[in-house]
Amino acid sequence: EAQVTQNPRYLITVTGKKLTVTCSQNMNHEYMSWYRQDPGLGLRQIYYSMNVEVTDKGDVPEGYKVSRKEKRNFPLILESPSPNQTSLYFCASSFRGVGNTIYFGEGSWLTVV
Amino acid sequence: EDKVVQSPLSLVVHEGDTVTLNCSYEVTNFRSLLWYKQEKKAPTFLFMLTSSGIEKKSGRLSSILDKKELSSILNITATQTGDSAIYLCGPSGNTPLVFGKGTRLSVIA
Repeated sequence: EAQVTQNPRYLITVTGKKLTVTCSQNMNHEYMSWYRQDPGLGLRQIYYSMNVEVTDKGDVPEGYKVSRKEKRNFPLILESPSPNQTSLYFCASSFRGVGNTIYFGEGSWLTVV
Repeated sequence: EDKVVQSPLSLVVHEGDTVTLNCSYEVTNFRSLLWYKQEKKAPTFLFMLTSSGIEKKSGRLSSILDKKELSSILNITATQTGDSAIYLCGPSGNTPLVFGKGTRLSVIA
């Protein structure tokens, strides 16, 4: 089954404790992206990747890191989480080119206290 | 820098009403525009519009792409409470996988 898998789905952590949210897709997609969603602000793109070893900043990259060492995986790293990073996070992927839909993970609820 | 503006940001209607949601975009090397519906979970796909497919329809929902005006509309006729959701538009250009802030639609019985 084609899917994008995120883990953890729910996490409460403390300020400053490094954490990684994993994202894996099984569709051999080139494009992958991370978003955060806050009330009234829609999906804001954090980082995106157009292929292995190719990543770029989105609209809100501060406080986040990513890597794309393998095509299927695109982890989101919070080196020193802060309370303003409390949010709902989505990972997504798609093929390159025109006419391709975007597949989303189920979301990760992250709370930083 | 690519930009996506959706309007209105929020809308409350009664069941049976018809609504029109707007999406305007400025992207480099425009490829396609996607519409998604988001309830209390991950967004789900509604439509894809491209240069070769500027009008799509599915049941009570329809969408049109205006490449000249760099905009798209999503129409929902005879709204139902199940249409209550956030509707997201995402034009694809040099920066892939970007979305607007969304329109929050609330349909009241």
